[in-house]
Amino acid sequence: EVQLVESGGGLVQPGGSLRLSCSASGFTFSSYAMHWVRQAPGKGLEYVSAISSNGGSTYYADSVKGRFTISRDNSKNTLYLQMSSLRAEDTAVYYCVRSSGYRAYYYYMDVWGKGTTVTVSS
Amino acid sequence: EIVLTQSPGTLSLSPGERATLSCRASQSVSSSYLAWYQQKPGQAPRLLIYGASSRATGIPDRFSGSGSGTDFTLTISRLEPEDFAVYYCQQYGSSPMTFGQGTKVEIK
Repeated sequence: EVQLVESGGGLVQPGGSLRLSCSASGFTFSSYAMHWVRQAPGKGLEYVSAISSNGGSTYYADSVKGRFTISRDNSKNTLYLQMSSLRAEDTAVYYCVRSSGYRAYYYYMDVWGKGTTVTVSS
Repeated sequence: EIVLTQSPGTLSLSPGERATLSCRASQSVSSSYLAWYQQKPGQAPRLLIYGASSRATGIPDRFSGSGSGTDFTLTISRLEPEDFAVYYCQQYGSSPMTFGQGTKVEIK
């Protein structure tokens, strides 16, 4: 069964840092691009970041550029999102999502994890 | 950035009725790189439609997608109780990827 399990969410103070992880199973992780998508409480979906299958290409929303870093370890079947200089507006459920192909663009998002909650508050 | 505008914001219908959801793009969506997702409360989104009109695996045929360029439509031919949810469109052909703001389909 194809599965994505996020972890690492929690409560953090403004200006703090947090690293999210996403453990993948049931498919050849190294063959697929991956994404992070977030959803603030009561709001819609917002694209955050993406990485190609080999990690050679990365993409960021303007709202997180320079503060968040996406990476992957294909030997561990794990996707990461390093978040720093966190703000209240980063409070959201963060979903790990599989791309249907090796590139982040031109392929749709076909498998979603259940999400991990990040709360930025003092 | 391609802005996707979904309408209506909320659709109030009864089970068995037909639902028509619209997604309009501020610029042409290249090669119909347009997807639709369904999200129920407390759950992650689920892929319904990709390539504007192709149903994802396991999606019932009462769901259909159409459109090209800047105008796209998701149609649910006969609403089942489990179809009441929020629906999002998304374009994945232009950087940055963008989502519409969602249409809530609620029970009338």
